[in-house]
Amino acid sequence: KQEVTQIPAALSVPEGENLVLNCSFTDSAIYNLQWFRQDPGKGLTSLLLIQSSQREQTSGRLNASLDKSSGRSTLYIAASQPGDSATYLCAVAGGYNKLIFGAGTRLAVHP
Amino acid sequence: DVKVTQSSRYLVKRTGEKVFLECVQDMDHENMFWYRQDPGLGLRLIYFSYDVKMKEKGDIPEGYSVSREKKERFSLILESASTNQTSMYLCASSQMGRATYEQYFGPGTRLTVT
Repeated sequence: KQEVTQIPAALSVPEGENLVLNCSFTDSAIYNLQWFRQDPGKGLTSLLLIQSSQREQTSGRLNASLDKSSGRSTLYIAASQPGDSATYLCAVAGGYNKLIFGAGTRLAVHP
Repeated sequence: DVKVTQSSRYLVKRTGEKVFLECVQDMDHENMFWYRQDPGLGLRLIYFSYDVKMKEKGDIPEGYSVSREKKERFSLILESASTNQTSMYLCASSQMGRATYEQYFGPGTRLTVT
């Protein structure tokens, strides 16, 4: 059964730091991996989607990589800002695009 | 922009009531999903649908049913609400195909069962 783990569970950094969030999964037979952002009490916002055949995706200050063989993905956030404070969720997709989520990393960026 | 809307942001119901949570998407997506999110347990898939009138159980379907009479609308039904169904419920949709697509989420419904 697929399991997704995110490390660290929480992170507090000063503004301007570059940071890395980690995601690992146990079964490499995935269709894609998606990173989401969730603000308190809100729904999920899709940040990046990496197809299983891709190695990385970039959007603005965000870069996500995927190493299917080792079951790992990282989300790199450059020059962090207080507005980046949120919970970041990693999810892997199986058949019918069903997602299995990690527990998330709660990020706080302080001025 | 893709838009997924849910009928209520907050809902309070009594034990034993029948509860309907509605979800509507405006992008003609084939796939629709219902998840629940609980502290310490994360998001878990309850049911999904890949076409009108088609439904499949997810990881935690017990105590729930679903209905998809039209492509844009996917309803989650709690036949007899119980306190352990107090949770945040999130609906999502995506296109279907071999090249999988992003899932788009609604704002969520926070359900409290007393």
